[in-house]
Amino acid sequence: LAKTTQPISMDSYEGQEVNITCSHNNIATNDYITWYQQFPSQGPRFIIQGYKTKVTNEVASLFIPADRKSSTLSLPRVSLSDTAVYYCLVGEPDYKLSFGAGTTVTVRA
Amino acid sequence: EPEVTQTPSHQVTQMGQEVILRCVPISNHLYFYWYRQILGQKVEFLVSFYNNEISEKSEIFDDQFSVERPDGSNFTLKIRSTKLEDSAMYFCASSEWRRGQETQYFGPGTRLLVL
Repeated sequence: LAKTTQPISMDSYEGQEVNITCSHNNIATNDYITWYQQFPSQGPRFIIQGYKTKVTNEVASLFIPADRKSSTLSLPRVSLSDTAVYYCLVGEPDYKLSFGAGTTVTVRA
Repeated sequence: EPEVTQTPSHQVTQMGQEVILRCVPISNHLYFYWYRQILGQKVEFLVSFYNNEISEKSEIFDDQFSVERPDGSNFTLKIRSTKLEDSAMYFCASSEWRRGQETQYFGPGTRLLVL
C-alpha cells in the first residue's frame, strides 16, 4: 500500500473552498485514490475516487496531476456540517481499507 | 438510500464476558467487513467476509474473535472473552464488489466499553 501524507488539521470558514492535499510518492500503477469523510462517532463515508486527472461529483472534486504523486480534495463552499476528518487512501480498490490519521477540517462560522 | 445498520449502538460489558455485535448490510451487497476504532485512533481493519467465509483477517482478529452470517440478512462479530483493550467503536461495512470501482458503506458503529 502506498504511504500517504496529509495535513493533520485545517481550519476554514463557512462559504470558503477547502483544499486538502495528499502526498503519495510511491503510488503504484494499479492504485486508485479514494477519499472518505468521518463525522464524530460515525462510520467513514465514501466521498470520491479517482485514478487520474479530475473527478467531480455532487460533494467534492478530486484533482490528480499527471505524475499521480499527489492529489487534492476540493470541498466547495464549506458549511459547518463539513467539519469532519477526511482520509486519503491509496491502493487498489480492494477489500481492505487502510486508514491513516486523516485531516481534521474545522469549519467556523 | 439503503444503509448499513448496526445494533446495539452502545454496549457495556464486564471483562471476560462474551459480546455479539450485529450488523445488517445493504441487501444486494456480497462483501462484508468489520473495522474498529479505538478512541482517538485510526480506523483499523479486522476482517472481511465473502461467500460465508473469511477472506482476510488482520493481526487484531485473533482466536477470541469470530464472524458469522447466521441468516440472509445479519452479519455478526463475536468477541468471546472481552478484554479492557477491546473497548472501541466497531464498524460494520459492506460492498457490492470486491474489486473495481466499488466503495464500502459503513454502518453507524457500536460503541463497546469493557469494564
